[in-house]
Amino acid sequence: DGGITQSPKYLFRKEGQNVTLSCEQNLNHDAMYWYRQDPGQGLRLIYYSQIVNDFQKGDIAEGYSVSREKKESFPLTVTSAQKNPTAFYLCASSSPGLNTGELFFGEGSRLTVL
Amino acid sequence: AQSVTQPDIHITVSEGASLELRCNYSYGATPYLFWYVQSPGQGLQLLLKYFSGDTLVQGIKGFEAEFKRSQSSFNLRKPSVHWSDAAEYFCAVAFATGGGNKLTFGTGTQLKVEL
Repeated sequence: DGGITQSPKYLFRKEGQNVTLSCEQNLNHDAMYWYRQDPGQGLRLIYYSQIVNDFQKGDIAEGYSVSREKKESFPLTVTSAQKNPTAFYLCASSSPGLNTGELFFGEGSRLTVL
Repeated sequence: AQSVTQPDIHITVSEGASLELRCNYSYGATPYLFWYVQSPGQGLQLLLKYFSGDTLVQGIKGFEAEFKRSQSSFNLRKPSVHWSDAAEYFCAVAFATGGGNKLTFGTGTQLKVEL
């Protein structure tokens, strides 16, 4: 079945460590996104990519980095510069153009900083 | 800048009762509007969307929403709620980015269903 796979589902890290969250999709979508979800704040866009080898900052990109070397993959690195990294991270993808209007989401990765 | 407001953080309804979740947006042009649902610890699933045309749109699981331009609202409704509808609901607005769907989400409404 087509979909988006995020891993790991749960991740713990110590302060000062970088961590990379994986996101893979087999929907043949051009666009991919990373959102951060905190209680009471909804989803906030971290980075998005509309095409391979290109990506743009979202609303809260500081302390995060991404790459888009393959169409299927859009990994997110949470760096030590991110002041409050404990959160639920959601990856999504979509077909190009707003006429589809639908983001397809993975099941999320919960990062806890100890 | 576009924004989305969901004024109700929590709503509790009895099973079988009707439901209305409120959503207001701020945007300079006619927006593209969406409602998503999220079960605990899961990703989001699209319930319905509005692009243009008929202002009353039907979605999955018996949900519908009405776009009211004069009120800048896109409220979600269901005539009879089922216990399985308990989840968090997000309203979202989008504008064209030349190839991708960059959505702005509201803060969500947590729905509890009493049996």
